[in-house]
Amino acid sequence: DAGVIQSPRHEVTEMGQEVTLRCKPISGHNSLFWYRQTMMRGLELLIYFNNNVPIDDSGMPEDRFSAKMPNASFSTLKIQPSEPRDSAVYFCASSSFEELFFGEGSRLTVL
Amino acid sequence: AQSVTQPDIHITVSEGASLELRCNYSYGATPYLFWYVQSPGQGLQLLLKYFSGDTLVQGIKGFEAEFKRSQSSFNLRKPSVHWSDAAEYFCAVGAPGTYKYIFGTGTRLKVLA
Repeated sequence: DAGVIQSPRHEVTEMGQEVTLRCKPISGHNSLFWYRQTMMRGLELLIYFNNNVPIDDSGMPEDRFSAKMPNASFSTLKIQPSEPRDSAVYFCASSSFEELFFGEGSRLTVL
Repeated sequence: AQSVTQPDIHITVSEGASLELRCNYSYGATPYLFWYVQSPGQGLQLLLKYFSGDTLVQGIKGFEAEFKRSQSSFNLRKPSVHWSDAAEYFCAVGAPGTYKYIFGTGTRLKVLA
């Protein structure tokens, strides 16, 4: 199994630019999570999808953040416009039975 | 509301020494409990999990953890640490039947040669 695949692994952009992070979950997993990891706040849940439907987006910081899951094998997290405080590592995770499988993360730096 | 505390931010041990990482949780019933390890630049990898049953859980890489209901703890142990165990370790609590997982702030382990 290829595991959860995220791209890009690293992204450096300038403030105000649009950022799109991508995730391919493990085949057969029906739950998908986007987390953000920072030194100050640790690992925070941004949004949770079940069967491609957003169930809980209460962790999304503000309207600049949006996430989609058009099908069972693909999800995106978009930030528009990006700000320096969005700099963090963004993880995608998928699960089928209570156990989370994480991708390697996308490290975002907003200058 | 559920919560999880990892009291130790950093721990340093010598290679070959034993290790115990502490995790305390707050939850109204018996939660699902997890330990994850994160190596630099990597995602989180599951070491072990507890859902029910035997309170001593064996995981990968020689790790084990013990669930103690009376102490609301789920401490991670390893009898002999290897240099490759240097990483950050996260305890997590999950409410059974839900998608809500709460992660601790992590314990960074340094291993001295």
